[in-house]
Amino acid sequence: NAGVTQTPKFQVLKTGQSMTLQCAQDMNHEYMSWYRQDPGMGLRLIHYSVGAGITDQGEVPNGYNVSRSTTEDFPLRLLSAAPSQTSVYFCASSYQWRSGNTIYFGEGSWLTVV
Amino acid sequence: AQKITQTQPGMFVQEKEAVTLDCTYDTSDPSYGLFWYKQPSSGEMIFLIYQGSYDQQNATEGRYSLNFQKARKSANLVISASQLGDSAMYFCAMREVERGQNFVFGPGTRLSVLP
Repeated sequence: NAGVTQTPKFQVLKTGQSMTLQCAQDMNHEYMSWYRQDPGMGLRLIHYSVGAGITDQGEVPNGYNVSRSTTEDFPLRLLSAAPSQTSVYFCASSYQWRSGNTIYFGEGSWLTVV
Repeated sequence: AQKITQTQPGMFVQEKEAVTLDCTYDTSDPSYGLFWYKQPSSGEMIFLIYQGSYDQQNATEGRYSLNFQKARKSANLVISASQLGDSAMYFCAMREVERGQNFVFGPGTRLSVLP
């Protein structure tokens, strides 16, 4: 039972570098999303997707890109890393809305931008 | 405006006692779901309990229960018989059917269980 798998778990980047956080789920979920977690602010939505080929912006999309070419994969790209992007990133997936459907999280990726 | 408010940044409770973690929400969508998640120090997000907006009864899952007061837009989590392993961050979240089906999270409450 893989669930939601995200990599890498830890990454240090220099300002201006780009990188991709990988996310894959094996539950055939239509809905996938990326959050960042900062102290005292809970989880804030970066981007989300309700199906292959469909993506949309969340609350804090600036500096990030996503694509959804398959149901399983939803990578998050940092275009030019900035220290303000130092955070813990969570990928998550869920079925489309039906009463009780919860969201499943990956284990998180700790990103530091120096 | 904050959609999910958790007014208690930190809470302490004695082991074996009950504790209530507060959550209020704001929505105009008639159909929504409310969730609670636990995040221990290891970082993973653990689903605890769910309440649907049309559910007539309060949800319960083992030692967890959700005190749902729809008119007041509150969805407080009650943990009975606290255990040391309950020490963690707790997040309240809402999913609105009409708003992209996104999950919106509150800022969290850090619960510390004292022996």
